[in-house]
Amino acid sequence: DSGVTQTPKHLITATGQRVTLRCSPRSGDLSVYWYQQSLDQGLQFLIQYYNGEERAKGNILERFSAQQFPDLHSELNLSSLELGDSALYFCASSVETFTGELFFGEGSRLTVL
Amino acid sequence: SQQGEEDPQALSIQEGENATMNCSYKTSINNLQWYRQNSGRGLVHLILIRSNEREKHSGRLRVTLDTSKKSSSLLITASRAADTASYFCATGKTGANNLFFGTGTRLTVIP
Repeated sequence: DSGVTQTPKHLITATGQRVTLRCSPRSGDLSVYWYQQSLDQGLQFLIQYYNGEERAKGNILERFSAQQFPDLHSELNLSSLELGDSALYFCASSVETFTGELFFGEGSRLTVL
Repeated sequence: SQQGEEDPQALSIQEGENATMNCSYKTSINNLQWYRQNSGRGLVHLILIRSNEREKHSGRLRVTLDTSKKSSSLLITASRAADTASYFCATGKTGANNLFFGTGTRLTVIP
């Protein structure tokens, strides 16, 4: 158990809908990262927050947004969903903002029908 | 792209044999990490090697790093069926705040 909690584990929704994925980092970790894993594209970095502030942005679509709250949990909002958004979404956390070891949650599997 | 690329994409070996996976990357890095992912599960950190290190060991794992060739290798010795998983390299770029992952090597160890 990495100590990172993600909910929901599975989510099935329709095109055009909006969903929110939630992540609770390990106790004491200030940095939260979001990654998308599709079958044919490996692990794509989406966005990183550190102590409530956005620190790095990757290949995140404009339809997606994220935030980190004062209690350090984070949410990833996906809107106007398309079939291609179906993927595993991982949250990871680390103590600092430097590129040390990341601790991953078990992921949220999103299926868009 | 800043992502690493693993080679081979898939590897199948008999239990007891050694497994070697390679990773190539494009940018300067401050560290390189290897992660393991069991099917559909979260990634688990295996080992981190810094840019000023050339080799590192952890149990049955041996990692090498050649910064002049921008490449790394992961060797798993005396493989076990439980080693069956996907293995990813991830690079920590100098000055960046996040890790970039490769596409992974799917290892199958046949009992």
